[in-house]
Amino acid sequence: EAEVAQSPRYKITEKSQAVAFWCDPISGHATLYWYRQILGQGPELLVQFQDESVVDDSQLPKDRFSAERLKGVDSTLKIQPAELGDSAMYLCASSPPRIINTEAFFGQGTRLTVV
Amino acid sequence: EDKVVQSPLSLVVHEGDTVTLNCSYEVTNFRSLLWYKQEKKAPTFLFMLTSSGIEKKSGRLSSILDKKELFSILNITATQTGDSAVYLCAVEVNTGNQFYFGTGTSLTVIP
Repeated sequence: EAEVAQSPRYKITEKSQAVAFWCDPISGHATLYWYRQILGQGPELLVQFQDESVVDDSQLPKDRFSAERLKGVDSTLKIQPAELGDSAMYLCASSPPRIINTEAFFGQGTRLTVV
Repeated sequence: EDKVVQSPLSLVVHEGDTVTLNCSYEVTNFRSLLWYKQEKKAPTFLFMLTSSGIEKKSGRLSSILDKKELFSILNITATQTGDSAVYLCAVEVNTGNQFYFGTGTSLTVIP
C-alpha cells in the first residue's frame, strides 16, 4: 500500500541550530501539505504545494521557515534557527488530483524537540 | 475566517459506553468533512462526508453530517480501550483544496 514517507521520525536539536525534514508523497499526488501539530492541538497548515508551486504559505513563519518542492515530487521543510517554541510534530500529507472527493493521506510525522 | 470547532475537548468513559463527539464548522466553499483518529502518531482516516443526512458506518463507528446546521457527529458504541485516541475533524474547502482541522477530542476508555 502506498504511503507518505517522512524522515527523520524524531529529531532533537539545540535552539539556534538548523533542522530539515523530508517528505515523499504518494506517487501521483500533486498536492502536498506540511502541517505543524503542537501537543494538545489540531494540525495547523504551514504550507501547501500544488506540484512545485506554493498555493498557500500564509501561516509559515518565513523569517525562519522555508519549504521547497523543486521537482514537484518530494519536499523539504527547513527551520533556521530553531526556537524552543518550534517543538512539535511536523506532519506531511498528500492528496491526489480532485477528480473526486478524497482525504489527505498523512505520513508518520517528524517529532521535533528543541532544547 | 474558516474555523472548525470540536467538543468536548476531552472525554473519559468506561469500556462499553457509547460516546458522541461533535464537530461544528464555519467555512466558505465547503467540499467535505472528514474524521481522523490519531494515536500518538499520524492521523488515520475514518470517514468522509459530503451529503447531509447520510450516515457513514464502519463497525462500531458511525458519523453523520448536517450541512444546514453546519455540524457533524461521530458516534462510537460499545467502546474499547483501543478506541482511546484523539479524534480530529477536518473540513476541506473548494478554494485551494485546503483541509482545516479542529483541535481534536481526546478520548480515554478505561477498563
